[in-house]
Amino acid sequence: EVQLLESGGGLVQPGGSLRLSCAASGFSFSKFCMNWVRQAPGKGLEWVSSISESGSDTYYAESVKGRFIVSRENSENTLSLQMNSLRAEDTAIYYCAKVAVEVARGGVDYWGQGTLVTVS
Amino acid sequence: EVVLTQSPEFQSVTPQEKVTITCRASQYIVGSLHWYQQKPDQPPKLLIKYASQSFSGVPSRFSGSGSGTHFTLTINGLEAEDAATYYCHQSSILPYTFGQGTKLEIK
Repeated sequence: EVQLLESGGGLVQPGGSLRLSCAASGFSFSKFCMNWVRQAPGKGLEWVSSISESGSDTYYAESVKGRFIVSRENSENTLSLQMNSLRAEDTAIYYCAKVAVEVARGGVDYWGQGTLVTVS
Repeated sequence: EVVLTQSPEFQSVTPQEKVTITCRASQYIVGSLHWYQQKPDQPPKLLIKYASQSFSGVPSRFSGSGSGTHFTLTINGLEAEDAATYYCHQSSILPYTFGQGTKLEIK
């Protein structure tokens, strides 16, 4: 059974930093790209970032480019999102998500329960 | 970026009714279009991947079709548990994007 468990959310002041983690299990983590997707309170879904299977290629939404860094540690089945220079508009639930198809970069099938980040 | 426009944004429907939700893309995205269902306080769940491929464990009343710029999600024989918000999502062109959502209310 695929499981994704996010952690690291919390309350942070504008301009501050936070590091999210996602522990993955139940599948061959190193064979799949991973995504981060967020959802502001009462709003729709927003793609944030993608990372390739090896971690060598990363992609970001314009809204977070230059402030967020995605990384992964395949030996530990862990995905991370380092968030710097946080703004009020970054307040959201952040979901870790597994890409559905090997060799694909996006299009996710399994989602974690999410971790709430509040910038205030 | 690719803008995905869903219609309708809200629909009130009765059980057993057939529901069709459309998703139009502002650019050609081949078949890299996926559909998700989200209930309050839950993460989204994948229903359909790559326009028409049903995801494992999803009831057969959910189906998807389309290609290029026009896609549809159909629910044949709506059930009360289908009350939720539905999103389309494209993974063809970066940055990946989602539709604004369609909220289904069960009468």
